[in-house]
Amino acid sequence: DAGVIQSPRHEVTEMGQEVTLRCKPISGHDYLFWYRQTMMRGLELLIYFNNNVPIDDSGMPEDRFSAKMPNASFSTLKIQPSEPRDSAVYFCASSLIYGGPVWTGGYEQYFGPGTRLTVT
Amino acid sequence: SQQGEEDPQALSIQEGENATMNCSYKTSINNLQWYRQNSGRGLVHLILIRSNEREKHSGRLRVTLDTSKKSSSLLITASRAADTASYFCATSQTGGFKTIFGAGTRLFVKA
Repeated sequence: DAGVIQSPRHEVTEMGQEVTLRCKPISGHDYLFWYRQTMMRGLELLIYFNNNVPIDDSGMPEDRFSAKMPNASFSTLKIQPSEPRDSAVYFCASSLIYGGPVWTGGYEQYFGPGTRLTVT
Repeated sequence: SQQGEEDPQALSIQEGENATMNCSYKTSINNLQWYRQNSGRGLVHLILIRSNEREKHSGRLRVTLDTSKKSSSLLITASRAADTASYFCATSQTGGFKTIFGAGTRLFVKA
């Protein structure tokens, strides 16, 4: 498997513009997580999905942020409008927690390479 | 506040020495994990220890968990320059899958 794929790898945009980050999880994984990493705040969980359904979005900083998972192989994180304080590295991660009717017991998360977002 | 807090924040050692990093957390957990992050890369899962386990080994890694003290330690034996990275502990709270990461320990192994 190619692992978790994120695009773009780098994004530079001006304040006020819309930004869309994309993620393709590992095939067959049932959980998908979006994180943001900054020097000041560390690694923060923004939202996570189970079988394409958002479960916990309490980490989403404000209404400017939205995330979707239209199918099991694709998710987006959108920021509209973007602000300089949104500059960070955004990671997507996927995990296989429930492999079906049998508990797999695994919580290991597989991270993508991240998208470095710079908002000027 | 963050669930997991690592100590020390930074560690510099010579190749061949052992490196020990500690993690403390605040609430009941399902499991505790350790991840490594090389500069400019995503996190890589190293090892998971469940709340009913006390010690776990994987290659040169040894993880201990003390639930009474709400703490864990990661020991890397015979360190190598390639071990230079940031190491994070992450906890999943009882009853959920939400994973909270600590601030990390930056390890520098000098060749």
